[in-house]
Amino acid sequence: DTAVSQTPKYLVTQMGNDKSIKCEQNLGHDTMYWYKQDSKKFLKIMFSYNNKELIINETVPNRFSPKSPDKAHLNLHINSLELGDSAVYFCASSHTLGGNTEAFFGQGTRLTVV
Amino acid sequence: RKEVEQDPGPFNVPEGATVAFNCTYSNSASQSFFWYRQDCRKEPKLLMSVYSSGNEDGRFTAQLNRASQYISLLIRDSKLSDSATYLCVVAPSGTYKYIFGTGTRLKVLA
Repeated sequence: DTAVSQTPKYLVTQMGNDKSIKCEQNLGHDTMYWYKQDSKKFLKIMFSYNNKELIINETVPNRFSPKSPDKAHLNLHINSLELGDSAVYFCASSHTLGGNTEAFFGQGTRLTVV
Repeated sequence: RKEVEQDPGPFNVPEGATVAFNCTYSNSASQSFFWYRQDCRKEPKLLMSVYSSGNEDGRFTAQLNRASQYISLLIRDSKLSDSATYLCVVAPSGTYKYIFGTGTRLKVLA
């Protein structure tokens, strides 16, 4: 029974396309995040949401638009994909906002833009 | 200066060895600290939280030094299965995010 699940696991697409990644958590957590892990394996926060409200947008280009229809879901839509968007995108959730408790991560979506 | 700094390694150690990793953080308002483990092509998973008093879980011991702003992880009696990247994670008060170090690669050799 997967706690944080994201789909798809792999995504290969051409430059200029628009794509979405979906994330769902069944932990009853209030807070969800998107992280990007680049080719150097560095994990960097993109967005955090608390109870469907955007809390952090870490200077991410506005081609990236997160959407949280309810607190169990946080999807990521990316417009006009660029080569530099190639990375692994991880969704995560935590019980509360603020990092007092651990974060649980999804399996990741490996995005390759060609 | 990076917010969370780690030696990227790799640390190559024989089975049974004891190995220690350090991590330094720049934000003195940091309130929560964790060590995560990430296997190749997998998601990060919590190894242990780090408390002010230090904590131990089997072969793993974590310590926090707030005055010097560093965290350590000690692994005793290394196993082949300990080979992974160990990520230091800091959550500064009021920032609503987890800040990751670049990770330290450990290879335990037979």
